[in-house]
Parts: sequence; C-alpha cells; structure tokens
Amino acid sequence: GDSVTQMEGPVTLSEEAFLTINCTYTATGYPSLFWYVQYPGEGLQLLLKATKADDKGSNKGFEATYRKETTSFHLEKGSVQVSDSAVYFCALSDRTTGGFKTIFGAGTRLFVKA
Amino acid sequence: EAQVTQNPRYLITVTGKKLTVTCSQNMNHEYMSWYRQDPGLGLRQIYYSMNVEVTDKGDVPEGYKVSRKEKRNFPLILESPSPNQTSLYFCASSSTGTGEYEQYFGPGTRLTVT
Repeated sequence: GDSVTQMEGPVTLSEEAFLTINCTYTATGYPSLFWYVQYPGEGLQLLLKATKADDKGSNKGFEATYRKETTSFHLEKGSVQVSDSAVYFCALSDRTTGGFKTIFGAGTRLFVKA
Repeated sequence: EAQVTQNPRYLITVTGKKLTVTCSQNMNHEYMSWYRQDPGLGLRQIYYSMNVEVTDKGDVPEGYKVSRKEKRNFPLILESPSPNQTSLYFCASSSTGTGEYEQYFGPGTRLTVT
C-alpha cells in the first residue's frame, strides 16, 4: 500500500540556517503531495503542495519539488526563523475507488534557536 | 471566515461512557474525515465521508462510529471509550472538485479516557 517516510526529528537549527526535511513516498497511482505544518496547540495547515511530477510547491520561503524518479518531496528553506518552529508533516493523497485517501508521515519537529 | 470547528477542545472521560465529538465546516466541502494523532505515528485516518450519507472506514476505525446527515457536520462517536482511545483528534474537510485533495483541519480535540 501507499506510504510516506520522513526524517525523524527533532531537528534543531540556529536562526538563518538552511533547512532540509527529507520525505520519500511509495504509491501505486499518481498522488498529489503535500507539506502540512502544525504550530503548537493548533491543527494542521497546508504549507505547500504539488500535484504532478516536476511541480514545485512554494510558500513562505519553503519549497519542495515532486520528484517521481526518486519518489521524493523534500522540504527546503534557505533561512529559517524562530517562528518556523513547528511540526512538519509530509503527506500524499491519491484516488481510491470510493474517493481519495491521504497518508501522512510521522512528522518532524523543528526547533529554531535565536 | 472559512473554518472547521470541533467541540469540545478538551475532554476527560471514563471508560465506557459514550461521547460525541462534533465537527462542522462552513466551506460547503463534500469530503470530511477524522484522524487521530499519536506520538511517532503521525495522523491515522479513522473514518471519512465523500458526501451526505456516504461514509467509509479509514485505517483505524475500531471503536468509532460516524454519521453524515448534513453536508456541514460530521460527528465522531465513541460508544464505549477505552484508554487506548486517549489521543488528539482532528477533523478535516476538502473540496473534491479540484482533484487536488488539500485538506482544511480543525483545531483538534484532546481526549483522555481513564
């Protein structure tokens, strides 16, 4: 079945450092790929998405490219801020007979120090 | 404001006492879903609904019930809660029209079963 694997955390960085959070997936179909972010005490919110191979999703300085050949969707940001401290979830959504299904990775907690 | 609301936000109950967690969305979304979030496991889908009166099991449906009598509401029912259902629960909704499957999440309900 479909699955999502993302790097374990926590990841601790200093402000203005470069961020990479790795995410790989397995899927039988042609899924859409997402990064969701969860700030402390809140629900998940969409950070960025890509719906087909070679698409690049971007938002708030974060980027991720849908790489079908390596089945990856790594999240990157050139210069993190303290306010980026949160838990990041990689996810895929794919059509099913009954509609669609979403699979989430385990989440990666990011701490950014001032 | 477009949103998904859940109530209650926090609930402490005892084993066997039936409870309902409500979920409502104001975006006219066809799709709604319930997830539970446990440390190290990410989000796991409990039940989902593609539209009114159409529901289906997710990955961890045991011990839960749902109903979808109105498009905006999707309550989660625990008929006889047990301690292993202590978790953080999220409701989510999505429009199926775009085929991109991005989801909008509620703020979460933290349930403790003693």
